[in-house]
Amino acid sequence: DADVTQTPRNRITKTGKRIMLECSQTKGHDRMYWYRQDPGLGLRLIYYSFDVKDINKGEISDGYSVSRQAQAKFSLSLESAIPNQTALYFCATSRRQERRNEQFFGPGTRLTVL
Amino acid sequence: AQKITQTQPGMFVQEKEAVTLDCTYDTSDPSYGLFWYKQPSSGEMIFLIYQGSYDQQNATEGRYSLNFQKARKSANLVISASQLGDSAMYFCAMREGTGANSKLTFGKGITLSVRP
Repeated sequence: DADVTQTPRNRITKTGKRIMLECSQTKGHDRMYWYRQDPGLGLRLIYYSFDVKDINKGEISDGYSVSRQAQAKFSLSLESAIPNQTALYFCATSRRQERRNEQFFGPGTRLTVL
Repeated sequence: AQKITQTQPGMFVQEKEAVTLDCTYDTSDPSYGLFWYKQPSSGEMIFLIYQGSYDQQNATEGRYSLNFQKARKSANLVISASQLGDSAMYFCAMREGTGANSKLTFGKGITLSVRP
């Protein structure tokens, strides 16, 4: 099955460390997204990319950076992690040609910053 | 103003009964789409149902239906014949504009618990 995968699935790190979360997809989709989920706040968009050369900030991009290494890979970096970045992170993909823009989600990465 | 509002703090339903999860939205764009996703305790996000703003009929997908009231800007999810496996968090989301450069905005979610 074509899929969206995220690595790692769980990560505990310390304040000040650099962390990279990776997302890969075999769906052949051109659009990719990074969200974070906090209890009571739903999902909030961090960054999104409509193709390899197109990167855009979302609602809450401060403290994060991204890299779209290929159509199938979209990485999220925390340059210097802080405790309030503890959250569940989701990668998602969608297909440009698809009018309704349904997004397909990876399984999530649970990040804890101590 | 919030674009997607889900105000029910938590919902309980008896197994085999129907339940409605509320969602109201705010947009001035005439072309938009509304989604519902389910998030079980395992954490993954599962797409349930979609309603386009120009769709003439309410969307249905198996036991899921969407009560779309455009004038009231509401898109409530109806789950019929609830099952224990329906216990999860449910998110309403909206896409504004056409697919070309659109993004999704999510509500804060509603927790549903199905009682045996």
